[in-house]
Amino acid sequence: DTAVSQTPKYLVTQMGNDKSIKCEQNLGHDTMYWYKQDSKKFLKIMFSYNNKELIINETVPNRFSPKSPDKAHLNLHINSLELGDSAVYFCASSQGPRTSGTYEQYFGPGTRLTVT
Amino acid sequence: AQKITQTQPGMFVQEKEAVTLDCTYDTSDQSYGLFWYKQPSSGEMIFLIYQGSYDEQNATEGRYSLNFQKARKSANLVISASQLGDSAMYFCAMSDQGGSEKLVFGKGTKLTVNP
Repeated sequence: DTAVSQTPKYLVTQMGNDKSIKCEQNLGHDTMYWYKQDSKKFLKIMFSYNNKELIINETVPNRFSPKSPDKAHLNLHINSLELGDSAVYFCASSQGPRTSGTYEQYFGPGTRLTVT
Repeated sequence: AQKITQTQPGMFVQEKEAVTLDCTYDTSDQSYGLFWYKQPSSGEMIFLIYQGSYDEQNATEGRYSLNFQKARKSANLVISASQLGDSAMYFCAMSDQGGSEKLVFGKGTKLTVNP
């Protein structure tokens, strides 16, 4: 059973288009995240949701809009795609906070977005 | 603000030998967590090990151990008896208890295990 799944795995599109990436987790976790990994492999948080409520919104262009229809799903919609949006986008989930920091986050396989 | 520093862009090790991947962190929080993730060439992110800031003993998970030195703010990953399948990028990350629950990652270390 796949714990955190993302679709699609690859996404190639032209500048200006709108696209969505879907994420689902079957771990029963309350918290889900979107991370972006750039061409230099640097990973950075974009958003996080706890039980459908947005709790982190880093300095991400408002062309990016997350949506959580229920606590098992967190989708990412991107409007007016730009060349700089090309990256690997990872969805993750976790049980949430604990005494020291947070529980480990389990990542999906990633979606490689290429904007031409 | 939290910061993770991994100073080794690349490391090489012979199969069956042990290797240490360095990680230092900076935070003003008393309560935080430290993590290591592995990213093989296939691209997935695999959780390896966790260390809480209040844990007195170093964390261990099979061939992985975390050498936690709180005063030095270091959280090095030790891989014993390296295997060819250990060749991958390794990321150190931390989280605080400030309510954000986000992971802040280092830039990673690329480990190559030679036969």
